[in-house]
Amino acid sequence: AQSVAQPEDQVNVAEGNPLTVKCTYSVSGNPYLFWYVQYPNRGLQFLLKYITGDNLVKGSYGFEAEFNKSQTSFHLKKPSALVSDSALYFCAVSPPLSADGLTFGKGTHLIIQP
Amino acid sequence: GAGVSQSPSNKVTEKGKDVELRCDPISGHTALYWYRQSLGQGLEFLIYFQGNSAPDKSGLPSDRFSAERTGGSVSTLTIQRTQQEDSAVYLCASSLLGLTYNEQFFGPGTRLTVL
Repeated sequence: AQSVAQPEDQVNVAEGNPLTVKCTYSVSGNPYLFWYVQYPNRGLQFLLKYITGDNLVKGSYGFEAEFNKSQTSFHLKKPSALVSDSALYFCAVSPPLSADGLTFGKGTHLIIQP
Repeated sequence: GAGVSQSPSNKVTEKGKDVELRCDPISGHTALYWYRQSLGQGLEFLIYFQGNSAPDKSGLPSDRFSAERTGGSVSTLTIQRTQQEDSAVYLCASSLLGLTYNEQFFGPGTRLTVL
């Protein structure tokens, strides 16, 4: 069975500084990896995904993520944080041949301080 | 175009009552998913529909939960004899073809409170 770990419940970053939200995964075979963001009282919004190819994936709102197969990680990054980036971020994995839904991490609260 | 819609947005019910939650996916999306989001369990996958095919129900938490999808479009999630531990936000998502690398588009959710 696949699993996703987000080791930090909360990440605090000053506005304008770079941010990283960590994610590691466990899955048989080559994974499909996703990041979603959830704003208060809203559903999840897709940010980016890794399927194959270039290990650095670019997504919405200036976010990017780096796939590292040897470390089984898929950390979310942004060079310069905005206060509006404050939200709950979820990493998710989908095994390549499964008909099941996504397996999500527990989520990380990102707080950007002005 | 419209996104995934869910109704009701909030539902408060008494323990032991039955509830029905509705999901209307994005037009043209063949795959539909139900998830449950709660403080204790995080985001849990419940069930997946691909078109009109019969779903795999093994992810449903108990036999009080059932789901159907009529005409390959609208889906309802039914919880019978609700319990307090059923209190959660129920999220619906759809994707274009149901391929595992397709991103899913989520609705705003139904917040269920069982008193």
